Amino acid sequence: GAGVSQSPSNKVTEKGKDVELRCDPISGHTALYWYRQSLGQGLEFLIYFQGNSAPDKSGLPSDRFSAERTGGSVSTLTIQRTQQEDSAVYLCASSLGGRVIETQYFGPGTRLLVL
Amino acid sequence: AQSVSQHNHHVILSEAASLELGCNYSYGGTVNLFWYVQYPGQHLQLLLKYFSGDPLVKGIKGFEAEFIKSKFSFNLRKPSVQWSDTAEYFCAVPAGGSQGNLIFGKGTKLSVKP
Repeated sequence: GAGVSQSPSNKVTEKGKDVELRCDPISGHTALYWYRQSLGQGLEFLIYFQGNSAPDKSGLPSDRFSAERTGGSVSTLTIQRTQQEDSAVYLCASSLGGRVIETQYFGPGTRLLVL
Repeated sequence: AQSVSQHNHHVILSEAASLELGCNYSYGGTVNLFWYVQYPGQHLQLLLKYFSGDPLVKGIKGFEAEFIKSKFSFNLRKPSVQWSDTAEYFCAVPAGGSQGNLIFGKGTKLSVKP
């Protein structure tokens, strides 16, 4: 079946602009995760959704970052007033119910470059 | 706080060599451990996971990992690597609580020379 998809695959933006990154999880998966992968930092957790609710936003690095999920499906990660340090690959993952034992299925990522 | 460390940043091996990648964790609760792999140009995917029972866990493509509680380790092994094993390998632990978000190690890049 279809896996997790993300769009765009690449995004180049100028410092100070806003960007929106989209994630389509596997159908039927209630849990959705956003991570960021950057050089030297590895993979960092950003935010977790269970259905449309975000019980854990602890990983969002600043108030410029926000995310929402609608219809228990598609999620959008928005970065306002982008900075060069926001350059990274943004990964989305989904799992069936969000339990610890479940496998997370990752998308291909969005590579963001802030000039 | 939970943490995981991978000591090898880049490992270079010839085909047929044996592989062991180190992973150490610091975790206060029930131990759940994961290895994920990212092949060049592909998505991050699960290689294997440990939750309970037999501390020797077998995963895909001939990989295995052994949970050693006394050493806080979960090293990844493969007796004979192939060129197609060239990838980046990540060890991970749950962040805590009942939800599934993970804390990842910084990754080990494996290059296998044909």
